[in-house]
Amino acid sequence: SAVISQKPSRDICQRGTSLTIQCQVDSQVTMMFWYRQQPGQSLTLIATANQGSEATYESGFVIDKFPISRPNLTFSTLTVSNMSPEDSSIYLCSVSGNTDTQYFGPGTRLTVL
Amino acid sequence: QQQVKQSPQSLIVQKGGISIINCAYENTAFDYFPWYQQFPGKGPALLIAIRPDVSEKKEGRFTISFNKSAKQFSLHIMDSQPGDSATYFCAASMDSGNTPLVFGKGTRLSVIA
Repeated sequence: SAVISQKPSRDICQRGTSLTIQCQVDSQVTMMFWYRQQPGQSLTLIATANQGSEATYESGFVIDKFPISRPNLTFSTLTVSNMSPEDSSIYLCSVSGNTDTQYFGPGTRLTVL
Repeated sequence: QQQVKQSPQSLIVQKGGISIINCAYENTAFDYFPWYQQFPGKGPALLIAIRPDVSEKKEGRFTISFNKSAKQFSLHIMDSQPGDSATYFCAASMDSGNTPLVFGKGTRLSVIA
């Protein structure tokens, strides 16, 4: 199974600022995804991080608010821009490689004041 | 439109009992149905997954039952233990793990002694 790390694990930020979350995988993977999990809720897909091209965003999520980079097959970043308290959530990256399985990172718990 | 409906929202089971969580899906293009277990403060961990070509899959105390005609699948946890207390999410995707997962809303399981 893939080992996924995320940085930071948690942060408390002021409204109007931005935070970049890093996702590192211990092996090359084909697909990387970013999800949001609001408190006590299920997971909602933000975007698919495509290596070498722009991310593919789901309805309700836009690149200006959630810019994503994927410079190689083991690393991706998600930035939460111009944050508001409504952005307080857990942000999770997931990966899939050569098998059917999607593995999730430990998540980044973001609180916006 | 919720593509994967999960019930119940919460479940209390006696130690040693059977926990049953149900999910129904709408999109017949889904061909991969995993279950994830999430403990507080952790990312979701894959528990067990099934494809539509089989009606049942068992791994230890965990069993998935799948009914393709009814578009339903369920998770059975045999001999439930307090350590199984967690939130369980069913999910579905197309093209195995290479496409994003659509999650149910989750079931909070409490196993009491």
